[in-house]
Amino acid sequence: EDQVTQSPEALRLQEGESSSLNCSYTVSGLRGLFWYRQDPGKGPEFLFTLYSAGEEKEKERLKATLTKKESFLHITAPKPEDSATYLCAVQEGGFKTIFGAGTRLFVKA
Amino acid sequence: DTGVSQNPRHKITKRGQNVTFRCDPISEHNRLYWYRQTLGQGPEFLTYFQNEAQLEKSRLLSDRFSAERPKGSFSTLEIQRTEQGDSAMYLCASSPRDTGGTNEKLFFGSGTQLSVL
Repeated sequence: EDQVTQSPEALRLQEGESSSLNCSYTVSGLRGLFWYRQDPGKGPEFLFTLYSAGEEKEKERLKATLTKKESFLHITAPKPEDSATYLCAVQEGGFKTIFGAGTRLFVKA
Repeated sequence: DTGVSQNPRHKITKRGQNVTFRCDPISEHNRLYWYRQTLGQGPEFLTYFQNEAQLEKSRLLSDRFSAERPKGSFSTLEIQRTEQGDSAMYLCASSPRDTGGTNEKLFFGSGTQLSVL
């Protein structure tokens, strides 16, 4: 059965303290790995899609990388406005996107 | 770009009552999805439409749940005889017409928060 596991469940950082979030997955025939950001009371907002091992994508302070079994979301010099839940998701051959439970990030000024 | 719209934003109901939620996707998107999310968990897939056809339905979706997308535009999700375990955020998402099968990013609405008392 397809699975997405994210760690840690929660992460508390000081402003400017860089760190990484992990997403490990098991899926047959990966069609894409996605990162979303979710703020309280809102729906997830798309950040990145990664398709093959070795691929990297960047957006402002965020950088996503992909290997054959896991993905990392690196956050460089975070700011308080980066506080949110970050969701990892995978899509296999069908139309269903499977989400992990997310990592709740708290960045303190 | 009006985004994905969901109504109502909040719904409080008593156990045993029926509820219906509405989702208006981004107008040019032909694919529509319903997800359910509980506190501390990621969104859980419920069902998927391509235009007006319901192509996939989660095994977790009991027969108390039904979804429709008449004319391939807006969609409704109905829950009959609600139970306390139905309390959750119900999220709708849409995605554009397949451009080669390599980009299925989802555009989510803000969800309907259901509380069953």
